[in-house]
Amino acid sequence: QVQLVESGGGVVQSGRSLRLSCAASGFAFGTYAMHWVRQAPGKGLEWVAFISYDGNKRFYGDSVKGRFTISRDNSENTLYVQMDSLRPADSAVYYCVSGLTEDSAFDHWGQGALVTVSS
Amino acid sequence: QSALTQPPSVSGSPGQSVTISCTGTSSDVGSTNRVAWYQQSSGTAPKLVIYEVGSRPSGVPDRFSGSKSGNTASLTISGLQAEDAADYYCSSYSTRRAHVFGTGTKVTVL
Repeated sequence: QVQLVESGGGVVQSGRSLRLSCAASGFAFGTYAMHWVRQAPGKGLEWVAFISYDGNKRFYGDSVKGRFTISRDNSENTLYVQMDSLRPADSAVYYCVSGLTEDSAFDHWGQGALVTVSS
Repeated sequence: QSALTQPPSVSGSPGQSVTISCTGTSSDVGSTNRVAWYQQSSGTAPKLVIYEVGSRPSGVPDRFSGSKSGNTASLTISGLQAEDAADYYCSSYSTRRAHVFGTGTKVTVL
């Protein structure tokens, strides 16, 4: 079955960097678009970033543009997000999410990785 | 990217129907069939229940249905069951090549 397992979360100081990873299995990772979606404690869902199946297209939400970088390694079935210049408002559970194409619904979700940015 | 607007909460008794609205703009909900709905039970990751306005993934009960009119999409849960109590979020792909989520609706089964 499809599995998406995030890692790399933790507590980091404001202004510092953190990289999350997502190990994928149970499906043809290299043919799927992938996204990061986050959810601040007690708040709603927010789309963060998208990467195409081949890594050639990447789009970002306005709140992270210029600070976050999404990438993937299809040989390792792994998705990444490099988060720089972190702010307290970036504190959230970060979900690794799959979608067939750029505009498709998010069909599978990981369990999430908690990132806490302290001021 | 402004969030789509949903009612904060809806409630119904077992067996009743409830409908959740999701209002966007002509740049998102009004311009695409890429509208989806997600169910999130407490402490768990969201789960896709409706995609492309009204299609159900395999395994989702047929009491869940979706529709759209203009800039507003709707999710209806018919024959409400206790296990349907959760938060529900709509989402839409937008003309800005971004996804936008709704504000979320808490469904309570009385």
